Amino acid sequence: NAGVTQTPKFQVLKTGQSMTLQCAQDMNHEYMSWYRQDPGMGLRLIHYSVGAGITDQGEVPNGYNVSRSTTEDFPLRLLSAAPSQTSVYFCASSAQGDGANVLTFGAGSRLTVL
Amino acid sequence: GQNIDQPTEMTATEGAIVQINCTYQTSGFNGLFWYQQHAGEAPTFLSYNVLDGLEEKGRFSSFLSRSKGYSYLLLKELQMKDSASYLCAVIRGGGATNKLIFGTGTLLAVQP
Repeated sequence: NAGVTQTPKFQVLKTGQSMTLQCAQDMNHEYMSWYRQDPGMGLRLIHYSVGAGITDQGEVPNGYNVSRSTTEDFPLRLLSAAPSQTSVYFCASSAQGDGANVLTFGAGSRLTVL
Repeated sequence: GQNIDQPTEMTATEGAIVQINCTYQTSGFNGLFWYQQHAGEAPTFLSYNVLDGLEEKGRFSSFLSRSKGYSYLLLKELQMKDSASYLCAVIRGGGATNKLIFGTGTLLAVQP
């Protein structure tokens, strides 16, 4: 089992560029989510999905878009990157979205916006 | 709203016991997780508490008091490999979906 796979691991962007962080899980999990982790801020929820075709905003959704066309994939799109989006991004999934299920995290994607 | 407080850093000695505290204020509390995160790696699950009391799992135990908004993670027989960040996360209910909200984490350094 690969678990949760994130790509790329590292990315450098210029301000205004767009990109997509990919996330795929092979555990047939219904719930998927994106977090960003910044020093002194902890993990903050960006967007989440409780199943294919359903997405919702977390604590810090501005500047990010998501879609969930399949159970397996949950890409995170940055439409116009800003230096404030420099962070480490984690995708995480769980069997269900009731909050009581253990999250399995991907290895993380380190993004730098110049 | 929600507020989760943990100490920023702690230091302990190999072989000793350390307790990492977490206090929280949140609407619609539905449970609490502890995750471990080594530097440069993803968080991994340690424990889950939804009822008051102590949950023991090997060298690690976690305690919850819902009335006090308080939890702690107890690590016994510390090993060097326990040097990591420990993240307290609260399940906040209400609305269509429960959300998992993380504290800022406690960086534990285990010294020889």
